[in-house]
Amino acid sequence: QTVVTQEPSLTVSPGGTVTLTCASNTGAVTSGYWPSWFQQKPGQAPRALIYSTSNRHSWTPARFSGSLLGGKAALTLSAVQPDDEAEYWCLLYSAGEWVFGGGTKLTVL
Amino acid sequence: QVHLQESGPGLVKPSETLSLTCTISGASISRYYWSWIRQPAGKGLEWIGRLFSSGSTTYNPSLKGRVTMSIDTSKNQFSLRMNSVTAADTAMYYCAGGEWGSFDYWGQGTLVTVSS
Repeated sequence: QTVVTQEPSLTVSPGGTVTLTCASNTGAVTSGYWPSWFQQKPGQAPRALIYSTSNRHSWTPARFSGSLLGGKAALTLSAVQPDDEAEYWCLLYSAGEWVFGGGTKLTVL
Repeated sequence: QVHLQESGPGLVKPSETLSLTCTISGASISRYYWSWIRQPAGKGLEWIGRLFSSGSTTYNPSLKGRVTMSIDTSKNQFSLRMNSVTAADTAMYYCAGGEWGSFDYWGQGTLVTVSS
């Protein structure tokens, strides 16, 4: 069974840059895992940010970017704003099923 | 714009069947892939299953055959049935949809509690 791992928590200063990663226990994450990223704030439903590794939705700010980095999927936030404080989830397609990571709680401090 | 709305009982007794419906507006149900995802309070997201308008379905193997998803194109709705529920199935249930490789659109979620 696929297990997807994210950093449990990260802290970034306003205006800074931070990279969140998403790893699979089955091996290196590739575009064939269709990596997606979601943002969730308390009391709200998740909101889609990135799909198919690096594609932004029409509503996703350009300072959010997705990539593959060192065998993992990655989400990089640039020029971080206080409003970016949230839980971030990655999602991978593996062995015929979709598997979410454990989430990264991003604190902007 | 695409809008999804979950509906169904908020309380289900143990061993009974959970039934939820997702109503779609702003898009034809035939266009996208549709999923159910759940989240226990304070915990992570779990993909439950996905279907397409053709009727093809894929389910999370960990749910051990307890799940059935179906589609009603005439009502632009799709549904989830989960049998033999236990307290472990208590969660916020979301419906979501998008192209094959994306989950673009999400409902606001509906809380289901399993309790006698």
